[in-house]
Amino acid sequence: KNEVEQSPQNLTAQEGEFITINCSYSVGISALHWLQQHPGGGIVSLFMLSSGKKKHGRLIATINIQEKHSSLHITASHPRDSAVYICAVSIGSSSRLTFGEGTQLTVNP
Amino acid sequence: GAGVSQSPSNKVTEKGKDVELRCDPISGHTALYWYRQSLGQGLEFLIYFQGNSAPDKSGLPSDRFSAERTGGSVSTLTIQRTQQEDSAVYLCASRRQGIETQYFGPGTRLLVL
Repeated sequence: KNEVEQSPQNLTAQEGEFITINCSYSVGISALHWLQQHPGGGIVSLFMLSSGKKKHGRLIATINIQEKHSSLHITASHPRDSAVYICAVSIGSSSRLTFGEGTQLTVNP
Repeated sequence: GAGVSQSPSNKVTEKGKDVELRCDPISGHTALYWYRQSLGQGLEFLIYFQGNSAPDKSGLPSDRFSAERTGGSVSTLTIQRTQQEDSAVYLCASRRQGIETQYFGPGTRLLVL
C-alpha cells in the first residue's frame, strides 16, 4: 500500500463544474502539499498545509490531520485547469516529499 | 535567477555511458532535493542536501547514482553506466530553511537508448 493515496486517478469534467480530488496518507507528516503539473512537465506548488483550510482564487485545499485526509477543490472549473494534480507529504526533518500517483484532470469546454 | 534552473533540458545517451545533470537552486535556498519521475511510476525522492550537513542519499536506486553540491549552491547528479531503466525526468527542487514549500526546476528529460 502506498503511503499516499489519491483518488480519482482520472477525472473528466465540463467547464464550470465543481471538482474534488482526495488524498489520504498513512504516515506522520510535517505538511501536505498540492502540486500541479502541466503537459511539458513543470511542477508548481499550489498549497502547503499543516492544518485547516487554504484558499487561492478558485482553488481550496483542506486537511483533516486526525483522519489523515486532504481534499483539493476547484470551483467553476475551466479548461486551463486541465493538468495532473499531485498530493505529496513532507516527512521527517528533511521535509523530503513522498508523492501520490497524481490525478489527471481534463476540463472540457 | 528567478527560479530553479536545470540543464540540460533533454539528454539522449547510449546505454553504458555516464551522464551529468545540473541544478541551480534559487539563491539563498539552503535545501536542495533531487527527484525522479519515471513513466508509469510517479515521482520518487533521490537525494537531499541541507547546507553543509551530510546528504540524505537514502533514495538513490543504486551505487551508479551519485550527487554532489558544491559551495552550498549548484548540484550535479551523476549516473554512471546508464541503463534503459534510468530513462526518466529528473527534477530538482529547493527551499528556504524554515519554509516547507519547495520550488521545482523544469527537469531534465533523460533517454537512454
